[in-house]
Amino acid sequence: ILNVEQSPQSLHVQEGDSTNFTCSFPSSNFYALHWYRWETAKSPEALFVMTLNGDEKKKGRISATLNTKEGYSYLYIKGSQPEDSATYLCAFHTGGFKTIFGAGTRLFVKA
Amino acid sequence: EAQVTQNPRYLITVTGKKLTVTCSQNMNHEYMSWYRQDPGLGLRQIYYSMNVEVTDKGDVPEGYKVSRKEKRNFPLILESPSPNQTSLYFCASSFSIGTSGRAQETQYFGPGTRLLVL
Repeated sequence: ILNVEQSPQSLHVQEGDSTNFTCSFPSSNFYALHWYRWETAKSPEALFVMTLNGDEKKKGRISATLNTKEGYSYLYIKGSQPEDSATYLCAFHTGGFKTIFGAGTRLFVKA
Repeated sequence: EAQVTQNPRYLITVTGKKLTVTCSQNMNHEYMSWYRQDPGLGLRQIYYSMNVEVTDKGDVPEGYKVSRKEKRNFPLILESPSPNQTSLYFCASSFSIGTSGRAQETQYFGPGTRLLVL
């Protein structure tokens, strides 16, 4: 079974802090990596899809980078706000039909 | 409104009593999938379907069945539920990419079904 790991498991920051977390995945047979944001009592919602080594994506204060050769992606949040509190999930595709999710990083932003 | 719907949203049942959780999408997506979410484990894929009448096992298929008779619907069936199937279940759908369908676009998730098996 392919393994996708996310770190840290949880993170507590103050409002205004910038933060980042990691998704590690197998570097062979890479096709795409997705980041999702999952708020408590809601459904996961898509943030980014990344397919090329060196990809950088940005949406407002949130950005992500991708390194397929070494098998990792970073998600960055600049100037964290309380509304950023959520679980951030990454999902790995090999180009087959399966989707493999990491366990997520749970972010708490204190006002 | 484009959406994935699941029913029921909450269900308490007893061991051995067959149940079905329905999933429907109105976006004409080829790919549909079921996941379960357990604390500390993230989302684990149960079954997926690449298109009508085409389904395959994910990483945790034991104790579950699915069918895909129509493009929009992908029900999850628990023939004989057991307490270890107590979980939060999500259905998701997406377009497939290319003629082989061997990759998926971003997935859209349903609202989740919280199941308790006593």
